[in-house]
Parts: sequence; structure tokens; C-alpha cells
Amino acid sequence: GAGVSQSPSNKVTEKGKDVELRCDPISGHTALYWYRQRLGQGLEFLIYFQGNSAPDKSGLPSDRFSAERTGESVSTLTIQRTQQEDSAVYLCASSSKTGADTQYFGPGTRLTVL
Amino acid sequence: GESVGLHLPTLSVQEGDNSIINCAYSNSASDYFIWYKQESGKGPQFIIDIRSNMDKRQGQRVTVLLNKTVKHLSLQIAATQPGDSAVYFCAEKNGYNKLIFGAGTRLAVHP
Repeated sequence: GAGVSQSPSNKVTEKGKDVELRCDPISGHTALYWYRQRLGQGLEFLIYFQGNSAPDKSGLPSDRFSAERTGESVSTLTIQRTQQEDSAVYLCASSSKTGADTQYFGPGTRLTVL
Repeated sequence: GESVGLHLPTLSVQEGDNSIINCAYSNSASDYFIWYKQESGKGPQFIIDIRSNMDKRQGQRVTVLLNKTVKHLSLQIAATQPGDSAVYFCAEKNGYNKLIFGAGTRLAVHP
């Protein structure tokens, strides 16, 4: 079946602009995660959604970052007033339930802030 | 697309040799560990996982070893192939739902 999809695949923006990144998880997966990956580094946890529970936002680096999820479907990650240090690949993953279940990753959105 | 992990430590092996990629994890309370493979321009792909009540688990051509005493995890790839070239990340489940990823190791397979 279809995997996790993300759009756009690449986004170039100017410093100070807002951007919105989209993630479509695997159908039926209740858990959804956003990560940031800077060049040459590992994955940095940003936010986690599980069903209708309140999201775990503990990884968001600043109040410029926010994310929403509609039910158990699409999620959007919004970065307001982008800065050059926001340049990274933003990865989305989903899993069938919380806990130790394998997270399946999308291809990521590469964000470049000029 | 742009390569992932341009400045990562690199393990170079000859095609057909066995590869061992090592990872030190941080939290002695972590109870679940995963190895991911990430090819350039793609998201991480699950390889194999292991729970803390085990010290070894085998998959197809891959074996994960867990040494809780020294908080060390390794991934062994048998008969390494060119298609194994990628960046490999270990991750530990630290808390209820978060995976904490290591910095990654680039595996370069030479013919």
C-alpha cells in the first residue's frame, strides 16, 4: 500500500516568510511524528500526535513552530517568520500505535531559507 | 538530491565483506532500539529492532547486538553489497513515545 507522503519535496523561501509543510500518513496509522534533520546530523524530534490526545509538543524549538493534525489523517507543520537556521529536511513518520511500534518515514521536505 | 550526512563518520568496506556499525546510546532506561537506513534524498527505512530483554536479534543478512552493560548497540551486515551504501542511524526509545536518534554512520561499499 501507499507509504507516508510529504509535500512539497523541496521548498525555498526567503527569511521572514511563513511556510507550511504537509504530511499524509499511512492510512490507519494513529500516531504521527515530525522530525527535523539538519545536514550531517541525526533526527531531532519535534512533535507527536496520537489519535485525539493532546499532542506532545516538547520538541518544538520555538513558538514559531506549530503543527496540526485533523483526526488521524493529514498533518501540517507551520514555521512562521522563517530563519536561515530553519533550513533542514523535515521528516514525517507514522506508526500504527504509540509505544514501540515501528515508525515509517516519508521522503521528507527539504526547506531552504535564503 | 543533496547527500545526507556529508560530515558523518564513514565506514568503508569491500563488497562481500561483513560490516559492523556501532552505536553508543545514552539512557540506561531505554527499552527499545531500532536501526534505520537512510539513502540519499530519502527518509529513513526500518532495518531491525531489538528490545532490552534481548541481547541479539537476527534478520535477513543483518544482526543487531545489544550490550546493556556498556550501553552499546551494533549492526552487523553480512556479505555487504553496493546497495547497502547509505547512512545508518541507531535510535533508542526514551520515554513513552519518542525515538532519540544517534548522529549516524555512513557506510561506503567498494567493488
